[in-house]
Amino acid sequence: EAGVAQSPRYKIIEKRQSVAFWCNPISGHATLYWYQQILGQGPKLLIQFQNNGVVDDSQLPKDRFSAERLKGVDSTLKIQPAKLEDSAVYLCASSPVSGRQPQHFGDGTRLSIL
Amino acid sequence: KNEVEQSPQNLTAQEGEFITINCSYSVGISALHWLQQHPGGGIVSLFMLSSGKKKHGRLIATINIQEKHSSLHITASHPRDSAVYICAAPLDDTGNQFYFGTGTSLTVIP
Repeated sequence: EAGVAQSPRYKIIEKRQSVAFWCNPISGHATLYWYQQILGQGPKLLIQFQNNGVVDDSQLPKDRFSAERLKGVDSTLKIQPAKLEDSAVYLCASSPVSGRQPQHFGDGTRLSIL
Repeated sequence: KNEVEQSPQNLTAQEGEFITINCSYSVGISALHWLQQHPGGGIVSLFMLSSGKKKHGRLIATINIQEKHSSLHITASHPRDSAVYICAAPLDDTGNQFYFGTGTSLTVIP
């Protein structure tokens, strides 16, 4: 079974620039999550999708972050404009509809803001 | 105060040693997850357990629901076990969202 695919693996940008991350979940997984993991901390949920609808985006900084999952499969997470404190690993995860199954994580995108 | 706390934060062991990582949580849960994160950032789910003990290879996870405590043990540790180990407790019964511990960084020296 193919895992959760994320790209790019690494990204370096200057502050105030824009960046986008892409995630392709495991086939058939209806639930998709984006996490932000700052160095030394556990992952923090940014947004959760169920198919193409948003279930929870309460911790998403909506003034600069946006995410979409238009066809209920792939998802993109965008930051515009980036700030220094956005330097982190951005993890995508997916799980089957039931939600009680373990989440499957991608390898993450490591973002560095200069 | 974090809902999920792990100890120790950092751990260095000699190859072959028996390793224990502890996780305490303050929320009422039906299951707890142990995750492994390698230096490249990828996370792998190791265990989801709701009672007793689970074993996978050299990894053993135990949980005591009454005491709100779980442990992850690694027997005969190996340098390839070097990673960050994270415990995660579900926010609610759906199991969709989690409180994550800050992780235990394990280094196994040859």
